[in-house]
Amino acid sequence: DQQVKQNSPSLSVQEGRISILNCDYTNSMFDYFLWYKKYPAEGPTFLISISSIKDKNEDGRFTVFLNKSAKHLSLHIVPSQPGDSAVYFCAASQPHYTGTASKLTFGTGTRLQVTL
Amino acid sequence: DVKVTQSSRYLVKRTGEKVFLECVQDMDHENMFWYRQDPGLGLRLIYFSYDVKMKEKGDIPEGYSVSREKKERFSLILESASTNQTSMYLCASSETGLARNEQFFGPGTRLTVL
Repeated sequence: DQQVKQNSPSLSVQEGRISILNCDYTNSMFDYFLWYKKYPAEGPTFLISISSIKDKNEDGRFTVFLNKSAKHLSLHIVPSQPGDSAVYFCAASQPHYTGTASKLTFGTGTRLQVTL
Repeated sequence: DVKVTQSSRYLVKRTGEKVFLECVQDMDHENMFWYRQDPGLGLRLIYFSYDVKMKEKGDIPEGYSVSREKKERFSLILESASTNQTSMYLCASSETGLARNEQFFGPGTRLTVL
């Protein structure tokens, strides 16, 4: 049961244009959403996050939008740069009880290629 | 600068061998995680630990075990490696109590089982 879904395995965008990466989730208990970026042969690195009490969070060229009613979030990169070419993972967490760790549930990833 | 290190970047083992993957973090984080990443499947959680000697199964624990004897070190053990355990293994750590639950990842170990 895939609770976090990224339905586009790949995306190609021209340099300078907007990249939009999408993510859908099914678990209404998720209260925090994160985007990670992964280059080949490296571990994922945190990019940006959003709490479920917000609908938008912005950090430089990166903006994440959350639509709770649709259980959908998206990552916008403007303008896209060649160095943005990587695999992007959407992740979600939910409240947990004391005495254990909060887990992240990851999507399957979208490979973004920014062309010149 | 936060750091998660993994003992090997690349590893080749034979079917039936016992395999140890080591992970060390220097951030004094309570929580540590082991994932595997496979094409089309994303990151799947194998095991995690929220304290020394404490562990919980993730989504795909079969064929794996873990050990956490010290806070900074979390080991993943393949008792008898099989070819379907060929994968990229990623270790991560996180701090308890942060709402964002950001996890910090190591560089990964590419394991090939022949």
